[in-house]
Amino acid sequence: EVQLLESGGGFVQPGGSLRLSCAASGFTFSNYGMTWVRQAPGKGLEWVSTISASGGSTFFADSVRGRFTISRDNSKNTLYLQMNSLRAEDTAVYFCARDLTGPTAYFGFSGQGTLVTVSS
Amino acid sequence: DIQMTQSPSTLSASVGDRVTITCRASQSISSWLAWYQQKPGKAPKVLIYKASSLESGVPSRFSGSGSGTEFTLTISSLQPDDFATYYCQQYNTYPYSFGQGTKLEIK
Repeated sequence: EVQLLESGGGFVQPGGSLRLSCAASGFTFSNYGMTWVRQAPGKGLEWVSTISASGGSTFFADSVRGRFTISRDNSKNTLYLQMNSLRAEDTAVYFCARDLTGPTAYFGFSGQGTLVTVSS
Repeated sequence: DIQMTQSPSTLSASVGDRVTITCRASQSISSWLAWYQQKPGKAPKVLIYKASSLESGVPSRFSGSGSGTEFTLTISSLQPDDFATYYCQQYNTYPYSFGQGTKLEIK
């Protein structure tokens, strides 16, 4: 069974940093691109970032480019999202997802997400 | 960037009804469109990919159609478990984008 377990969310002040993790199991992690999608409270889904299976290619939404970094450790079956210079508008539940096709993808979700709250 | 617009934003229907949700892209995305279902507090679940292909395990009452800029998701006979929010997503090009969602409510 495919499982994606997000962690690392929490409360942070504007300008602060946070690193999210997504532990994957039930599939060959190194064969799949991976993606972060977020959802602000009461709002819709927003694509944040994607990383290729090898980690050699990364893509970002304009709203986070230059502030967020996506990475992966295929030896640990783990996806990361380093979030710097956080803003109030980054407050959201962050979901990780498996890219189900390539080179562009739709997504398979599994976890419950992790909540990031940016507030003073 | 490609903008995705869903209609309606809210839809009230009864068990057994046939319902259709529309998603329009601001430019052609060929058939690179997926539909998701999301229930409160849960992660989204993919229903349809490549505009009309049914994801494994999804009931056959769900179907998708369209290409280019206009797409539809149809539920042929609503079941109690189908009341949720539905999103379309284009994956023709980066940045990926979602529609704003359609909340399907019980009438």
